[in-house]
Amino acid sequence: EPEVTQTPSHQVTQMGQEVILRCVPISNHLYFYWYRQILGQKVEFLVSFYNNEISEKSEIFDDQFSVERPDGSNFTLKIRSTKLEDSAMYFCASCDNTGETQYFGPGTRLLVL
Amino acid sequence: DQQVKQNSPSLSVQEGRISILNCDYTNSMFDYFLWYKKYPAEGPTFLISISSIKDKNEDGRFTVFLNKSAKHLSLHIVPSQPGDSAVYFCAAESMTTGTASKLTFGTGTRLQVTL
Repeated sequence: EPEVTQTPSHQVTQMGQEVILRCVPISNHLYFYWYRQILGQKVEFLVSFYNNEISEKSEIFDDQFSVERPDGSNFTLKIRSTKLEDSAMYFCASCDNTGETQYFGPGTRLLVL
Repeated sequence: DQQVKQNSPSLSVQEGRISILNCDYTNSMFDYFLWYKKYPAEGPTFLISISSIKDKNEDGRFTVFLNKSAKHLSLHIVPSQPGDSAVYFCAAESMTTGTASKLTFGTGTRLQVTL
């Protein structure tokens, strides 16, 4: 069964460093998303992406964040200058052309020291 | 702003019995609802969904009920199995705002199915 994959599974970085989180969505999906879950809190929407552009972004998704679909398979989230409060699980999700059900990847655990 | 609420942080049920997980929402624009199951250190796994034009959707042991007037939905698992032990998230979206709509999640309910 097709699934969303994410790399790396864990990332430890120093405050102020740039990180890139990678995702391979399900191959025939058209809509892509990033969410995050800070420890002990709910899953929060960051950004949605369709037709090579951002559809919607949350207040969390400030100028330090960017997304890209550099080729036909990868979808990346870049944090330019990480802060301590960026430590969280980051989940990628994708959805087919119905736009109904989002399927999530296993997540990347980011720890900013 | 808790638009989606799961008021029970945990639930313990005996194997073979029914598990009922509840979810309330406040945003009347939500018209599509999903339940996800999550194990520690894994991503949410889609279980079942329901559109606001229905009041019930069933898939095997899982049934979701939607009461639009009360802005309430519930997930029934019957019979419950030990492998169902996980955190269950309710999520909602507004399909009417267009495609690529974001999910708004509840805080989750940890279900433990005991032998």
